[in-house]
Amino acid sequence: GAVVSQHPSWVICKSGTSVKIECRSLDFQATTMFWYRQFPKQSLMLMATSNEGSKATYEQGVEKDKFLINHASLTLSTLTVTSAHPEDSSFYICSARDLGLAGLSTDTQYFGPGTRLTVL
Amino acid sequence: GNSVTQMEGPVTLSEEAFLTINCTYTATGYPSLFWYVQYPGEGLQLLLKATKADDKGSNKGFEATYRKETTSFHLEKGSVQVSDSAVYFCALRILGDSWGKLQFGAGTQVVVTP
Repeated sequence: GAVVSQHPSWVICKSGTSVKIECRSLDFQATTMFWYRQFPKQSLMLMATSNEGSKATYEQGVEKDKFLINHASLTLSTLTVTSAHPEDSSFYICSARDLGLAGLSTDTQYFGPGTRLTVL
Repeated sequence: GNSVTQMEGPVTLSEEAFLTINCTYTATGYPSLFWYVQYPGEGLQLLLKATKADDKGSNKGFEATYRKETTSFHLEKGSVQVSDSAVYFCALRILGDSWGKLQFGAGTQVVVTP
């Protein structure tokens, strides 16, 4: 299957600083990527949909000024957690949508390995 | 609206036992259905999928059949291994959403003991 990478895999930062997380589709182009947040032993919570060349669409309750998303190319989306606080500590997972060459029948989301953020 | 309901875990079973994880959904029209697996500390991996009624997805010994009449997509494996210990997520692709967003179930933790 297609491969999606995330960097860094884990990060520890001080409260008030900003952290950038990268999500890359390695062997396909993704016009759409998604950012999720996962709390321990819980399901994934969709934070936002990132579209190449346009503004991200945020889910209700997600602060767009705090979680900045940039989808600058067809293989890279970044999530920046600004002015991070301990409550932002979480596991952040991205996914990339692969439409494939055959069109919608191969439409599948592939997930990155996740980034563990700890804010002290 | 769209929703996915999975059986609660943890499901604990012995190696070589039969595994079933129930998944039912509500959606308008015909969504595509997916099973993802998450190993500890990792992201999600696509396990299998089905895009229309009566389709059977299969991979690594796991199978799931898209049952429109019962709105279900139960995951099964005939003989589990310790390495199958993970959290399994059932998901549907939201119809009418041009971005292809997924709706996930709560996840079911599976623990396989030697």
